[in-house]
Amino acid sequence: DGGITQSPKYLFRKEGQNVTLSCEQNLNHDAMYWYRQDPGQGLRLIYYSQIVNDFQKGDIAEGYSVSREKKESFPLTVTSAQKNPTAFYLCASSIAAAYGYTFGSGTRLTVV
Amino acid sequence: GENVEQHPSTLSVQEGDSAVIKCTYSDSASNYFPWYKQELGKGPQLIIDIRSNVGEKKDQRIAVTLNKTAKHFSLHITETQPEDSAVYFCAASRGYDFGNEKLTFGTGTRLTIIP
Repeated sequence: DGGITQSPKYLFRKEGQNVTLSCEQNLNHDAMYWYRQDPGQGLRLIYYSQIVNDFQKGDIAEGYSVSREKKESFPLTVTSAQKNPTAFYLCASSIAAAYGYTFGSGTRLTVV
Repeated sequence: GENVEQHPSTLSVQEGDSAVIKCTYSDSASNYFPWYKQELGKGPQLIIDIRSNVGEKKDQRIAVTLNKTAKHFSLHITETQPEDSAVYFCAASRGYDFGNEKLTFGTGTRLTIIP
């Protein structure tokens, strides 16, 4: 079945460490997105990519980095520069925004 | 850029009653309006969408209406059931306008169905 997979589901990180969240899709979608969701809050865009080897900053890109070396993969690195990284991270993909997004099941990151 | 406002932020209805969630948008060029349902601990799922050439769309107990003149759209859930309890997000986009191909989301509505 086609879908979008995020791993791991839960992730714990010590302060000062970088950590990478995985996002893989087999839907043949060109566009991929990363969102951050805090408890009881909406979706805030971190980065998005409309094509391989290209990506743009979203509204809250500081402290995060991404790469898009393959169409299927769009990993997100949360760096030590991100001051409040504890959150629920959602990855999404789409043919185009005109067709909506397919979301992954999310990764819950906790800084300990 | 686009700005989407969503109301109310929380909504409680008796089982069997109807629920209505409203969104307004600012960009008159937006032409695609999806609604997502997010259950606890999961990613949002698309439940219904509407395009600017349509005023209303229905899918069983769910309907969406669009008023382009007023720049607002609404989600209607009839005969609510306990499994409708979730957070609902509206969104808007220009669709195929390259360089603007991303959805702008509302802030979400937490819907609780009271048995």
